[in-house]
Amino acid sequence: GAVVSQHPSWVICKSGTSVKIECRSLDFQATTMFWYRQFPKQSLMLMATSNEGSKATYEQGVEKDKFLINHASLTLSTLTVTSAHPEDSSFYICGQAGGGTDTQYFGPGTRLTVL
Amino acid sequence: GIQVEQSPPDLILQEGANSTLRCNFSDSVNNLQWFHQNPWGQLINLFYIPSGTKQNGRLSATTVATERYSLLYISSSQTTDSGVYFCAVGAAGNKLTFGGGTRVLVKP
Repeated sequence: GAVVSQHPSWVICKSGTSVKIECRSLDFQATTMFWYRQFPKQSLMLMATSNEGSKATYEQGVEKDKFLINHASLTLSTLTVTSAHPEDSSFYICGQAGGGTDTQYFGPGTRLTVL
Repeated sequence: GIQVEQSPPDLILQEGANSTLRCNFSDSVNNLQWFHQNPWGQLINLFYIPSGTKQNGRLSATTVATERYSLLYISSSQTTDSGVYFCAVGAAGNKLTFGGGTRVLVKP
């Protein structure tokens, strides 16, 4: 299956700062990547769909100005949490589908803690 | 949007036992995947199974698309099978909707 990496694996930041999370496709070109958020003991919720070379599509209730997504190349998508607050603390996971298959593969996730 | 329900929410097994996890979904789908989330949060792909039956070692899965459900079978469970099992479905555009998960604990 596809290999997806995320960086950093965990981050602790102060309230009001911005945090950038990178998602890389290591073995094929991903025209579409997905960003999910998972709160403790809950399921994954799709935040947005990231399309290479175009604007991301956000799910209802997700603030696009707070969660900035950039998909500048076929192997890299970034999620920036701007002016982070403690309620943004969560596990952020990226997924990708591509290479001629509908199967979606996921990165190892980034645990964000906002103090 | 599509609703996905998994049952049971929690499952405690004795090592060596067999179990069945269920995933019901509310609409037609063209993608259904089963994942195992390990204690570190990594989602491990188990099956891509929008219809039919597949087997991989001690795990097997069956999806009956016309009746909108899928089953994941774990046979001869081991402690390493512990974790959360998610079913996720997709209709158009590769977007996946996840079920609430089944938290499995296998005791030695």
